[in-house]
This record gives sequence, structure tokens and C-alpha cells, in this order.
Amino acid sequence: GQQLNQSPQSMFIQEGEDVSMNCTSSSIFNTWLWYKQDPGEGPVLLIALYKAGELTSNGRLTAQFGITRKDSFLNISASIPSDVGIYFCAGQESSGSARQLTFGSGTQLTVLP
Amino acid sequence: DGGITQSPKYLFRKEGQNVTLSCEQNLNHDAMYWYRQDPGQGLRLIYYSQIVNDFQKGDIAEGYSVSREKKESFPLTVTSAQKNPTAFYLCATVGWTGKGYTFGSGTRLTVV
Repeated sequence: GQQLNQSPQSMFIQEGEDVSMNCTSSSIFNTWLWYKQDPGEGPVLLIALYKAGELTSNGRLTAQFGITRKDSFLNISASIPSDVGIYFCAGQESSGSARQLTFGSGTQLTVLP
Repeated sequence: DGGITQSPKYLFRKEGQNVTLSCEQNLNHDAMYWYRQDPGQGLRLIYYSQIVNDFQKGDIAEGYSVSREKKESFPLTVTSAQKNPTAFYLCATVGWTGKGYTFGSGTRLTVV
């Protein structure tokens, strides 16, 4: 299947710091999605991106769909303790295809007080 | 509120046993999916179904089976042929808008 390279694998940051993580793919995607997973729960959609170059914000979160359509990044500003969790990127090849959602391996975020 | 219900939350299986994980949705979504999650890894697709009475294998279907007799339900059976079944299993759906997946809260399966 497709491969998504997500980095970093883990991050330890101080409360109040900004965070950046990214995903790259060897293939072109038409949709990029960012999810957050709390321990023992299912992932929850944070941001969806549908056009190359698109920059979208959701509160303190900002994500961008890369111009090449092979990458995306997620920024979190002014981190707080509840930002702790695993963040996943996901790419979809075509909106009409039911199965073509590929996930990155996740970024484990720890926020230190 | 509409959503996805996975049960049980925790499941213990003896070696050689088959177990079935439940996934029920009231979102009226057509497509349903089963993913497996192991520590430090992304989500890997086991099976998916786009319509009732139809389903396709994902990337790691060996040792698993599914059925889709009703739109609302997509149970996953972990058979004795699955040699390393201990993992966190997630069910997801997608509506016609295709705007991302909605996930259930997962089932943690442990072999004892």
C-alpha cells in the first residue's frame, strides 16, 4: 500500500511552546486529513484539506496542503496540557474511492507543565 | 446523537478461539472500515465495506473475517488463524460527502 512518512515520531515540549509536525508521501493525494487520538479512544478529525496550497486553521491549529500534493504539515500554537495525544496525518488519493485513506505512523505529543 | 458504538471496550481471548468485535453506527453512512492499531504504528486497514452484502480485503485481512448484513452493522471476527491478534481495533465510517472518517472508541483485544 501507500506509505506516509510522519515526523517527528515523538515530541516533548513545554506548555506554551509551538509545535510543528509533517507528513510526506511518495504519491499524490487529493485530500489531507489530520486526526488526534487520546489514549484508549478513537481518532478525532481536527482539520481536512482539499486543495493544494490550502491553509486552514481550527483554533490554535493550522494545517497546510503542500503545493506538490505530496506533503502536509500541522502546527499547534501555544500548547496546553490537553494537547497531549497522538496526532495522525492521513491522505486520500481520490474523493470517490472508499478505501484510499492511508495513515501516517503518528506523532506522540507530550506537553510538560 | 449519531455515532459509532464499538463493543466490548476490552476483550480477552484464549489462544485458538475465535472472537467477534461489534461495530454499530446510526449515522446512515454507507462505507464502514476496520483498522488495527499497534503501538508506534499507524492504522492498518483490515477490511472495508461500501454497501450491504459487499466487502473487500484491506492490507492485513489474513486471519480476520467480516460480514455486512445490515447497513448499521459491520462485525469483525478475529479467527484462530490470526497469530498475533493482540492490538487495538478501530471501526470507522464515511458518509457520502467523504469528509474524513468518523471513528468508534475502539476495542482492545488481548490474547491470554
